[in-house]
Parts: sequence; C-alpha cells; structure tokens
Amino acid sequence: EAGVAQSPRYKIIEKRQSVAFWCNPISGHATLYWYQQILGQGPKLLIQFQNNGVVDDSQLPKDRFSAERLKGVDSTLKIQPAKLEDSAVYLCASSLEGTSAEQFFGPGTRLTVL
Amino acid sequence: GEDVEQSLFLSVREGDSSVINCTYTDSSSTYLYWYKQEPGAGLQLLTYIFSNMDMKQDQRLTVLLNKKDKHLSLRIADTQTGDSAIYFCAESNQGGKLIFGQGTELSVKP
Repeated sequence: EAGVAQSPRYKIIEKRQSVAFWCNPISGHATLYWYQQILGQGPKLLIQFQNNGVVDDSQLPKDRFSAERLKGVDSTLKIQPAKLEDSAVYLCASSLEGTSAEQFFGPGTRLTVL
Repeated sequence: GEDVEQSLFLSVREGDSSVINCTYTDSSSTYLYWYKQEPGAGLQLLTYIFSNMDMKQDQRLTVLLNKKDKHLSLRIADTQTGDSAIYFCAESNQGGKLIFGQGTELSVKP
C-alpha cells in the first residue's frame, strides 16, 4: 500500500513570495491533516479536512495561509506572502476517519524562507 | 489547555534499555502515541495506546500509561544504534487532532 505522498520535498523562496505544497493521502483515507514542524519542535496542526470539508482550522494563519481539498482526495497548502518565520517542515498526514487511531505521515516539505 | 511535555535528550549504551517519559494535561485524550523521526524523514508511528489501557507491549517496545498522573512512557529493550532518532509523544482527542511534545532525542552509543 502506498504511503502519503508530498511534493516538493524541498523549497527555498524569498520572503513575500508565494509557495504551494501538494499532498496525496493514502487511498481511501477520508481525513487529511496539515502540520507545521518548526526546527526543534513537535508538529502543530494547521488544518484538518474530513473529505472535502474543513473540521479544524483554528491554528491556520488565515491572513497568509490557505488550504483546499476540492475533491476529497489531494490537498494543497498555500502561503502567500511568506515570512521568515514560515521556515519549517510541512507535514501531511491521513487517517481512515478522524476517530481512527492511526494517523500516517508523509515525508514532509522543507521550506526555507530567505 | 492541551500540553505535552518531554525531556529533550537521552543517551544510552547499545544493549541497554531506554525509557522515554512524557506528561500530558488533557484528561479527555482518547489515544496516546509514540512516533519516531529520523533525520530528514517524516514521522513513523511506533505504537499507540487507548486511554483506558495501562500497558501495551509490541516486540521490543513497552508503553506504560498512568492515567491518574497523566504520565506516559516508552521503554525500548536492547536498544540498538538504529534506534537513534527523535521520539515524539502525542495525544489525540475524539476529533483526531494530534498534540505533540517537543521530542526526545535518543542517542545510542556503541
């Protein structure tokens, strides 16, 4: 069974530029999560989708971050415009349902904002 | 509020047992997890325990949960150099959102 796929793996941009990350969850997984992991810290949830609906986006900086999961499968996370403090690894995860015990993570996209 | 705390570093000798500790604050946690992260890699789910259990064993891994003290531990028996990584404790509520600790860096010396 294929795992969670993410691209790109690495991205370097200058502040005020825009960037987008893509995630393809495990087939059949209804719930998709985006986490931000700043160096030296644990991941923090940005947004949670159940199919194509948002369940929790309370920690998403909505003035610059947006995310969508239009067909309930793939998802994109966008930052516009990027700030220096957005430098982090962006992790996508999926689970069968939000109540499922097992949440599987992709390899992440490492973003560096200069 | 929700908070998960871990010690930052642990160093052991190869062949010894490692014990990584974690405390959490949310008494309504449904599951508690241990994830492993190697350099440049994503998070690998090692094991998890339902909040009404007090112990779970899986090969070299033993998870102990003290719900009264909100304390979780991960014991790795016969620790190997390949176990060197950062270990994250996490809790989840019924919605599925994971709250992570800051990670414990395990260093295994030959």
